Amino acid sequence: IAGITQAPTSQILAAGRRMTLRCTQDMRHNAMYWYRQDLGLGLRLIHYSNTAGTTGKGEVPDGYSVSRANTDDFPLTLASAVPSQTSVYFCASSVGTGNEQFFGPGTRLTVL
Amino acid sequence: GQQVMQIPQYQHVQEGEDFTTYCNSSTTLSNIQWYKQRPGGHPVFLIQLVKSGEVKKQKRLTFQFGEAKKNSSLHITATQTTDVGTYFCAGRVYGQNFVFGPGTRLSVLP
Repeated sequence: IAGITQAPTSQILAAGRRMTLRCTQDMRHNAMYWYRQDLGLGLRLIHYSNTAGTTGKGEVPDGYSVSRANTDDFPLTLASAVPSQTSVYFCASSVGTGNEQFFGPGTRLTVL
Repeated sequence: GQQVMQIPQYQHVQEGEDFTTYCNSSTTLSNIQWYKQRPGGHPVFLIQLVKSGEVKKQKRLTFQFGEAKKNSSLHITATQTTDVGTYFCAGRVYGQNFVFGPGTRLSVLP
């Protein structure tokens, strides 16, 4: 692994289903983030983690949950997907808060 | 809460023309970052500005942070087709997370 990876690349999901988006980084960054990107709205922060073992809510956290059991992994879970969660999801990491963020390739999620 | 706005939303230029995008924050910022996202790609960090009135250059790109630390600009001289993409600013109030602007989508006609 080099940098930050996300899986899956894309997914079509039926409404009401549970889904976990995976994010892994090998840069030993302390901070990790989940954003959703919708046309005309830019990147909106869903949840973040400043260090392993801690998480926080961003601008649009409703319907999403995260965990940070270790430094490398930061999964995002949709407990019961709804069509408004159709979006492109980016995971990012940084050495610390306030530093440049490195983004993963993104996951395109469609909820029908 | 903190809001970050960018203008214009879209810009179409002829190759060789200059381009400028502006970023404005509702609150005074501690630092601001700029990212570029190519079509179908992910955001890539360009630069961070920290000081009031700071100006930084990267080849044909010039970044400026306003004196009041509430606005910033990115200027590209003599655009090339490789400059195509969406440019985002992200502003941060100390101790908080970055807030991204909606982006300016640049298209360059050859």
